[in-house]
Formats: sequence, structure tokens, C-alpha cells
Amino acid sequence: NAGVTQTPKFQVLKTGQSMTLQCAQDMNHNSMYWYRQDPGMGLRLIYYSASEGTTDKGEVPNGYNVSRLNKREFSLRLESAAPSQTSVYFCASTWTGHQPQHFGDGTRLSIL
Amino acid sequence: KNEVEQSPQNLTAQEGEFITINCSYSVGISALHWLQQHPGGGIVSLFMLSSGKKKHGRLIATINIQEKHSSLHITASHPRDSAVYICAVGLFGNEKLTFGTGTRLTIIP
Repeated sequence: NAGVTQTPKFQVLKTGQSMTLQCAQDMNHNSMYWYRQDPGMGLRLIYYSASEGTTDKGEVPNGYNVSRLNKREFSLRLESAAPSQTSVYFCASTWTGHQPQHFGDGTRLSIL
Repeated sequence: KNEVEQSPQNLTAQEGEFITINCSYSVGISALHWLQQHPGGGIVSLFMLSSGKKKHGRLIATINIQEKHSSLHITASHPRDSAVYICAVGLFGNEKLTFGTGTRLTIIP
């Protein structure tokens, strides 16, 4: 079973470039999440989607947009990348918000 | 705002030692999660609990709702237990988790 698949695993961007991080899950989960992880800080929620067709802001949404394309896929877009967005990004999914989350392997993103 | 505090931040121990990692939170919660992040970066869920104690192999998680405190114990620790252990809490009626900053555990052979 693939679980939660994130692409790409690594990416280097220049300031101002745009890109989309892809996430797909094959567990028929309803809820999906995007987090960023920075040194010395806990995982911080960027956006989440409680069900297909709905998205909500998390703790640090500025500079990001999301799309819940269907039940399986939840993408995160950086429209104009900034060095402050250098981070490791994790996608996660679960049946509901009150169940354990399943995480992807992460995307290490560097903005120069 | 719910704060999640973990202690210690770093812990180094000899193989075979009994390990305790602590997590405290500031408001009432619906559930507390313990997760493990290996050096390669992947994150896996170890436990979700809302009361009492849970055990899986050499890992034991306990929670005291009144004291707003949870502990993760590892018995007979092994170098493969070396990882970052993360505590997270969920609130009633809320789909989101609040995460602690993690405890980095290193087990020396």
C-alpha cells in the first residue's frame, strides 16, 4: 500500500518562482492536511481539507493556496516563492480529525 | 490558544535504559497523539489516547486528563529507538492538531 504520496521529494526554487506540491492518498480518507516543519518549531498547519470540495486555513496560510482536486488529491501551491518558505512540507490524511494521521515522506523545499 | 510543551528537548541514554518523555498541554483536549519521526524524516503515528494507558511492544503511553499531562515510556531501549518523538493534541469539535516541538532521543549502544 502506498499510503500518502508526496511529490517532489526535493526542490530548489528562486525567489518569485511558483510551484505546486502534490499529495495523494489511497486510503479513502476524508481529511487531508498540509504542514510545514522548521527547525526548533513544531509542525505548523498551513491548510486543511475536511472533505472533498472544502478547504480551510490553518496557522500559517499566507503565501500559499490549496486545491482539493478530488477525495484522493490535495495540492499546495506557492504562487511567488520567498526565502521564508524554505522548509520541509508534509502532507497528511485521516478518516476524520479525531483519528491518527498518516503522513507522506515530506518535500524538502529551498528558496534561494 | 492551546500550548503543548515537551520535555526534555534532547535525551541521550545507554541501550537498555528505561526512557520517559513528557508532554504537557494547557487546555482540555479530545485526544493526545504520540508520533515518531526517524532521521530519514518520515513521521508515523504511535498512539492516540484520551484516557488511561496504551501499550504497544516496548512503548507505553499514559495520560492524566486532570493534570493535562502525558508520558511516553520506552522499556529496554535500543539504538533503533533513536528518533524525534512528537506530542500533539486535538480539541473537541476541531479537525486540527497542535504539535509540540519534539524530543530528540539518542540511544547509544
